[in-house]
Amino acid sequence: DVKVTQSSRYLVKRTGEKVFLECVQDMDHENMFWYRQDPGLGLRLIYFSYDVKMKEKGDIPEGYSVSREKKERFSLILESASTNQTSMYLCATLGGYGYTFGSGTRLTVV
Amino acid sequence: SQKIEQNSEALNIQEGKTATLTCNYTNYSPAYLQWYRQDPGRGPVFLLLIRENEKEKRKERLKVTFDTTLKQSLFHITASQPADSATYLCALVYGGSQGNLIFGKGTKLSVKP
Repeated sequence: DVKVTQSSRYLVKRTGEKVFLECVQDMDHENMFWYRQDPGLGLRLIYFSYDVKMKEKGDIPEGYSVSREKKERFSLILESASTNQTSMYLCATLGGYGYTFGSGTRLTVV
Repeated sequence: SQKIEQNSEALNIQEGKTATLTCNYTNYSPAYLQWYRQDPGRGPVFLLLIRENEKEKRKERLKVTFDTTLKQSLFHITASQPADSATYLCALVYGGSQGNLIFGKGTKLSVKP
């Protein structure tokens, strides 16, 4: 089975901090994605990557950046965390037909 | 813009009955549509994919239909069990063959014993 591992289940950060969310996959999938999930808004795409060092903006990229230096690792960066970035963050890969999601990181910005 | 809607936020049914969840979409003709299950505090888990040229797909107690004329997919769980209680998300692909998913907001299914 494909495994997508997100480094932290829960994080609490202060406003203005730079935050790194890490995602690692153990298959050779090229496509990786970062979503955030909020009640009433569902899943929204932040950024995605089709290959190493490639990145594309999703629907809500503002306030975020990403890094893909190695195929298996896709990092989401909050340059200066704000309270409206409190959310559940989900990483996913695409291989075959369906997406495989990580367990998520619940980030709280105080 | 593409829009995908799941008709109800919550659905409560009795154990043993068939649960039917609805997903409607507008402004797009997706090549395929996917269904996911999500448990509280976890990421979605892929269940089934159905292509535009497929009318129906089955997997154990799950059945998905796809009506491109109505722009609708139905997701059925037969002989439902309390363990089926979860949020179910539909998703369609846009933006090409390696396109991204747009998700519905989900329907929370509760199966009562």
